[in-house]
Amino acid sequence: DAKTTQPPSMDCAEGRAANLPCNHSTISGNEYVYWYRQIHSQGPQYIIHGLKNNETNEMASLIITEDRKSSTLILPHATLRDTAVYYCIVRGRGTSYGKLTFGQGTILTVHP
Amino acid sequence: DGGITQSPKYLFRKEGQNVTLSCEQNLNHDAMYWYRQDPGQGLRLIYYSQIVNDFQKGDIAEGYSVSREKKESFPLTVTSAQKNPTAFYLCASSIEMFDGTGDGYTFGSGTRLTVV
Repeated sequence: DAKTTQPPSMDCAEGRAANLPCNHSTISGNEYVYWYRQIHSQGPQYIIHGLKNNETNEMASLIITEDRKSSTLILPHATLRDTAVYYCIVRGRGTSYGKLTFGQGTILTVHP
Repeated sequence: DGGITQSPKYLFRKEGQNVTLSCEQNLNHDAMYWYRQDPGQGLRLIYYSQIVNDFQKGDIAEGYSVSREKKESFPLTVTSAQKNPTAFYLCASSIEMFDGTGDGYTFGSGTRLTVV
């Protein structure tokens, strides 16, 4: 699986958009980009995933660059409850799940 | 609703005692996993099992043991041989083969183990 790089921490004002970047420059053609988040003392929660097109769901939007070497998770109107650690993971379709590698992620702090 | 249940949420253990953490899933997932998380760190894989009666060591298996007698259950025993057992333990389950969908990998809510 391709390695990902994320900034260790970010801040965002409540009500504003939070844009969390992820670099995955070694991603291959069949690998998806996944985002999870972990609120303190809970298990990671799936947010969104995509292959090459931009994706949107009720939680967030995912923007993947045309060369697929980076992506941005967008929380359009951040709330205090969005304060969490956000993990970007790359995974290839057709592979056995095995372990997912969660690095240190980005600590997002949403402040009033 | 389908999901993963970990119990208890908080657990205290005296040094030198073994303790077993429970993990049950009703998602009909084939694979199950145990991760350990220390403060400010990512998740590290302890053990995983892709089928009943079979399991493999992860990156930090020393001092831990598991069993997989039923598809739904994957208990983790933290033995007295684990030198630094105080941590947050997460159980997860997944379908066997990644199919590009979003809901193939699910985590429990975790057990926080403290050795006193």
